[in-house]
Amino acid sequence: DGGITQSPKYLFRKEGQNVTLSCEQNLNHDAMYWYRQDPGQGLRLIYYSQIVNDFQKGDIAEGYSVSREKKESFPLTVTSAQKNPTAFYLCASRTGNEQFFGPGTRLTVL
Amino acid sequence: AQSVSQHNHHVILSEAASLELGCNYSYGGTVNLFWYVQYPGQHLQLLLKYFSGDPLVKGIKGFEAEFIKSKFSFNLRKPSVQWSDTAEYFCAVNPNNAGNMLTFGGGTRLMVKP
Repeated sequence: DGGITQSPKYLFRKEGQNVTLSCEQNLNHDAMYWYRQDPGQGLRLIYYSQIVNDFQKGDIAEGYSVSREKKESFPLTVTSAQKNPTAFYLCASRTGNEQFFGPGTRLTVL
Repeated sequence: AQSVSQHNHHVILSEAASLELGCNYSYGGTVNLFWYVQYPGQHLQLLLKYFSGDPLVKGIKGFEAEFIKSKFSFNLRKPSVQWSDTAEYFCAVNPNNAGNMLTFGGGTRLMVKP
């Protein structure tokens, strides 16, 4: 069953802790993306990766980090430097001009 | 900077009413245009897209959108909505020279009353 998986669905962390969100795809797509979704602001691009071992900052990269060691995986770390980390995080991968999205992870920082 | 505006943040309609959701973008060059839908508890999924050709594009579930270049608009329409269309709708734009980056609008939350 092909697709994009994100785990966990809900994540709670204490302020000041780093947390890593998982994103895996078995679609054999080269490009992967991380977005943050906040009410009324749509989706904003955090980081993207066009190919393994390469990634670029998006519009709101501050306080986040990523790695792309494998084609299938693009984990996102939300660091303690991110001032407002509570949000819904969406991962996507792309073929051609179309992006496909995962189910998302809702992160709440207490 | 590139921006995408969806002026209707919340829309409430009764079943069988007609729907039009506005989307305007600020980029002046050639663009690819998308509408995505997020049903409650489900993945964001593609509703329809425009790359070139006929500016009136048909999508899934009876939706269509019209690209009007002179107005920088890509409004989404459906002649008769159903309760199952209750969802959040996002317009997205990809300038042709932007490496497949998408810029999203703020979203429109549609509620259809049965």
